[in-house]
Amino acid sequence: DAKTTQPPSMDCAEGRAANLPCNHSTISGNEYVYWYRQIHSQGPQYIIHGLKNNETNEMASLIITEDRKSSTLILPHATLRDTAVYYCIVRGIYNQGGKLIFGQGTELSVKP
Amino acid sequence: KAGVTQTPRYLIKTRGQQVTLSCSPISGHRSVSWYQQTPGQGLQFLFEYFSETQRNKGNFPGRFSGRQFSNSRSEMNVSTLELGDSALYLCASSFTGQGAYEQYFGPGTRLTVT
Repeated sequence: DAKTTQPPSMDCAEGRAANLPCNHSTISGNEYVYWYRQIHSQGPQYIIHGLKNNETNEMASLIITEDRKSSTLILPHATLRDTAVYYCIVRGIYNQGGKLIFGQGTELSVKP
Repeated sequence: KAGVTQTPRYLIKTRGQQVTLSCSPISGHRSVSWYQQTPGQGLQFLFEYFSETQRNKGNFPGRFSGRQFSNSRSEMNVSTLELGDSALYLCASSFTGQGAYEQYFGPGTRLTVT
């Protein structure tokens, strides 16, 4: 079973920041938080991952709370092309290999 | 750098037949994982191969099998197809699959079983 809880859907106005929350209250010390997104009928796309520090790349920022029980993915200036299902995944770095456990994700709709 | 490629992109098969899907990982990646995506079950992990060995396996029947070649390319096979096997099959490659390395997904193969 997925170790994360996400809202099933969210709306965001184009040009505004999209803040997607994720709860992972049972996360353990050696588990990373990963974010992927899937645009309709395409393969999932890696966005960002982090352990405990906030991370930023060209696509998004990841804010992880100090107790690591929740995180927020931030798309700073959402565009219509950011409409997708966003998956938050917790993954251990030892003995898990390439296995990712996907939940239901958050369906983000960016509206003009 | 070229991305993950999957062939064929679309496939229609009849119940009872078998099918082989192919995945070519990103150059230098040695881990290949396979996933099945259906509207009802979402994205589910099938198995992972690393250095030609199956390293992880999901909860699927033995009709689903795979292999990996020395160049890291991977194939998955589904025998005795059932209607419920209709799905988008995705493969993902990673440098090692361990540690904090991210996975990169291919576009998928859409399998329809009639």
